[in-house]
This record gives sequence, structure tokens and C-alpha cells, in this order.
Amino acid sequence: AQKITQTQPGMFVQEKEAVTLDCTYDTSDPSYGLFWYKQPSSGEMIFLIYQGSYDQQNATEGRYSLNFQKARKSANLVISASQLGDSAMYFCAMRDYGNNRLAFGKGNQVVVIP
Amino acid sequence: DTEVTQTPKHLVMGMTNKKSLKCEQHMGHRAMYWYKQKAKKPPELMFVYSYEKLSINESVPSRFSPECPNSSLLNLHLHALQPEDSALYLCASSLRDSIDQPQHFGDGTRLSIL
Repeated sequence: AQKITQTQPGMFVQEKEAVTLDCTYDTSDPSYGLFWYKQPSSGEMIFLIYQGSYDQQNATEGRYSLNFQKARKSANLVISASQLGDSAMYFCAMRDYGNNRLAFGKGNQVVVIP
Repeated sequence: DTEVTQTPKHLVMGMTNKKSLKCEQHMGHRAMYWYKQKAKKPPELMFVYSYEKLSINESVPSRFSPECPNSSLLNLHLHALQPEDSALYLCASSLRDSIDQPQHFGDGTRLSIL
């Protein structure tokens, strides 16, 4: 069964600083996809970044990068130069062929302070 | 603005009412999804449509009835709902139903059952 673990409590981050959100996953399938989503208090779920299990390089999308450590089954999200608009809940998610559903972690709450 | 449009944004209904939630996308995606999300929890998958055919029903009660009239539209028909069905209902779409395709979400419908 898939399992996504996000254990950090709510985080306060100073504006313009970088923040790392931890995510570990558990799967026995060699093929899987890893995703990060942002959900502001208004409710919309915004796709941020994708990493495939066979991708050799860490994914990057603008200020977002994914620190993929396959052997450790870790897919941490790094947000550089935090902005006030980055305040949101962040969900790590994974999908593999075995379960074939997008499985979400419990989320990390981030508050960016000026 | 998201490219997946959900209407209405808010809905209040009694337990004996019949209503429908609507979801539309024009990105040429052939997979569409319904999720239910309670406050401070990750989304829970309800239904998956792939090429307009229902491929996954996560044992959702029959008071929720999905419909996919064409590749751009997804409806969720509601009848005789219970107070515990109050939640944010999110629609998502992806190019295809695959482990390597990110799902793009709408803004959601906030449903309250009186």
C-alpha cells in the first residue's frame, strides 16, 4: 500500500528565505510519480512540480525544486525566496501502478511572515 | 485562474434536495476526477473517468452519481445527502489517467448540507 509521510508541524518562514518541506514515501513499485501541490486558504489545489522515479535530475520549476533522494525514498520540496503568497498548505503526493491512485500526504502548513 | 472550471463555488442544500456540481475543462484532457476534501485533510478520491468511461468508483454512496457527458464535462449529481457530506468537492483533469501526468484541479465547490 502507498504511504506518504509529511511530519513537520506548521512552519513560519521569513519572507525572502528558503524553506524545505519534507516528504517520504513508501512503495514497492519501481515506477512511480511524485507530485507537490499548494492549497491556499481559498481552496484551490495548485500543481507545483513533478518528479518521475526514473528521472536522473531533480525537477525544478521557477522557485520550486524537488530534492529527490531515491534510495532514501525522499522527495523534499524546496521553495526559494519565499513570498507572502506562498502561505498555504502543501501536499506531497505519489502515484504508482500498483494502487494507481494519487495518494496524498497529510500536508504541511506554511506561513510566510514579513 | 485555473483551467478547470467548477460551478457553483458554494452550495447550500437540504437533505431532501437534488442538485448537481459541474466541472469543465478545455485542455483536451481525457481523464477527469472527483475528490472530496474535509477541512485540514488531504483530498479523497471519489471517481475517475478515463475517455468518458467510469474507471474507478471508490465505494462512494449512491447518493453521489457522477456523469461524464463528453470529454470536457464532468457532473456530480447529488441527492438525499447527509450532513457529513458537507465538504469541499474538487474536480481535476489530466491528459490521461497515468502515473506520470499531473492532475490539474479546479477551485472547488464548498458544499454545506443543512
